[in-house]
Amino acid sequence: EDQVTQSPEALRLQEGESSSLNCSYTVSGLRGLFWYRQDPGKGPEFLFTLYSAGEEKEKERLKATLTKKESFLHITAPKPEDSATYLCAVCRLVFGAGTILRVKS
Amino acid sequence: GAVVSQHPSWVICKSGTSVKIECRSLDFQATTMFWYRQFPKQSLMLMATSNEGSKATYEQGVEKDKFLINHASLTLSTLTVTSAHPEDSSFYICSARTLQDSLEDTQYFGPGTRLTVL
Repeated sequence: EDQVTQSPEALRLQEGESSSLNCSYTVSGLRGLFWYRQDPGKGPEFLFTLYSAGEEKEKERLKATLTKKESFLHITAPKPEDSATYLCAVCRLVFGAGTILRVKS
Repeated sequence: GAVVSQHPSWVICKSGTSVKIECRSLDFQATTMFWYRQFPKQSLMLMATSNEGSKATYEQGVEKDKFLINHASLTLSTLTVTSAHPEDSSFYICSARTLQDSLEDTQYFGPGTRLTVL
């Protein structure tokens, strides 16, 4: 059974304080690992898709990396508008529980 | 590109009534649409996968007679919650996969529909 575990459950950062979110996965044949951002009361917003170990993708202050067992979402110098729940998912979108990020100015 | 809309955004209904939620892909054709349910402070749970012109595939534990799904065209899928009860109150989100992305599995999500059953 495909499983996705995200850590930490919640993360509080000061503006400008870089950090990383972790997504560990167990799947039978990875067809892609996906990162989404979800704001309260809204649908998830697509961020990245990673397909193979060693792959990296960047978008503004976010960078996603992938290994054979986990993915990291690195947030560099975050701003308050980066506050959201970050979800990772695999295959047919088996979602992790998410990491709630709060960035204080 | 890849915009998905849902209607309505909010719905409040009495117990026992049926509620229909629409999901539309606005600027692309979606051969496959997905319906998710999300309870407060929980992640998204896939309910069913619908392919245009065929019957939906439901996940284990999801009652197909209660959650009717119709994918009548490449841009529209509907979810009908029949005889809704308070425990059906949730945030329902649809997503669509583009034809071009069929090999990539990237899904684009709608804004969600908040259902409250009194």
